[in-house]
Order: sequence, then C-alpha cells, then structure tokens
Amino acid sequence: AQKITQTQPGMFVQEKEAVTLDCTYDTSDQSYGLFWYKQPSSGEMIFLIYQGSYDEQNATEGRYSLNFQKARKSANLVISASQLGDSAMYFCAMRETKAAGNKLTFGGGTRVLVKP
Amino acid sequence: GAGVSQSPSNKVTEKGKDVELRCDPISGHTALYWYRQSLGQGLEFLIYFQGNSAPDKSGLPSDRFSAERTGGSVSTLTIQRTQQEDSAVYLCASSRPGAEQYFGPGTRLTVT
Repeated sequence: AQKITQTQPGMFVQEKEAVTLDCTYDTSDQSYGLFWYKQPSSGEMIFLIYQGSYDEQNATEGRYSLNFQKARKSANLVISASQLGDSAMYFCAMRETKAAGNKLTFGGGTRVLVKP
Repeated sequence: GAGVSQSPSNKVTEKGKDVELRCDPISGHTALYWYRQSLGQGLEFLIYFQGNSAPDKSGLPSDRFSAERTGGSVSTLTIQRTQQEDSAVYLCASSRPGAEQYFGPGTRLTVT
C-alpha cells in the first residue's frame, strides 16, 4: 500500500491566487512527521514546511501553511498569493518513528504551474 | 552557510563501468541520506548514515550498490557494473538528528 498519496499529478493556478495540494498518508505510528518539499526545474529539493503528529496547531511558514487533519490522515499544503516562482514539483513526505534514521517516504508529487 | 554539495552534477557512463558519486553534507549534520529519483519509481530512499555507520541500508537495490562515509562528513555512493536501469538522479541529504533534511542539487547519472 502507498504510504504517501498525492492524487493531483498537475495543477494550474492563477498568479496571486491560493492553491491547495493534497496529501494523504498511511502509518500505524503514533509519532511521525510530515514534510513538504519544492523541486523547481533546477532539480534541488527545497524544504518548505514541517508538521509533527502531536502538533496541535497547523504549521505555517510565510505563504505556506499545512492543513493537518489527523483523523483523516491528510496533510494538505496551502500556498497563498501564488507567484510565478512557485511553479515547480511539490512533494509530500513522511518520517515514521519506527523507521530507523528518520528516512523520508515521498509521494509521487504534484506539478504546479502558475499562470500570469 | 554552505549547503549540501554533490559531485559530479552529471555523469554519463557506459554499461558495465563503475561510478562514484560524492556528497559533502552541511557542516555539523551528523545524519546523511542517499535517495534516488527516477521517472518510473519516484523518490526512493537508498541508505542512511549516522556518523560513519550505516544503520539502515534497506533501500540499496542490489549488491552492486555500496556507500561509505568517512570522518563523519563526506560520503561516496559507488555503483559497480552499472546497468541502464541505474540511470536516475541521485540525491544526497543531511540533517541534524531528528530535524528536517536538506538536499543537495543531485547527480544525474546516465548509463548508455
């Protein structure tokens, strides 16, 4: 079974609008972490935001926020006020406590294209 | 400060040759990870180092793949007798224990 599912292979968003990228996960751990990374065409993976499973508040980082719904096992990324530079692949990832060394398991990614 | 660096950025090799990929982590990061990104398989974990030891090698796809880390810093991923299915981008990441991972720019490996 897929541990991280990103159901949207690609999305268009108008500049200055908000966009939500979906991520659902599957784990039996009580303690885990969820991450979002951005990968522009240059190829480098850029860390965006982190949500711990015990965090009561949704994580926010500038224009990025994470809509964490633990019971539904979803961790959607919201990008507000989209900019042209937000065009990239976005990956959701999970770190499970049971996994030695905190390795990340990634979803398949969502490609976002911001239109002017 | 300096980020994670990887070399070479691109490598083209003939099937059957050995290749070495290098990763220089962020200074002070004790954890180091190798991942592979390919079109068909997405992003896959290969191996994790804590210091110089590798407690998790579960992602290495075959015994042709090996990695080492020396001085708690630089790591080398070696692929012996390369095959065409080894073509991918190899990404290295480093972190402080339990913290977010920071990735390097990757090495694009093409096996002809």
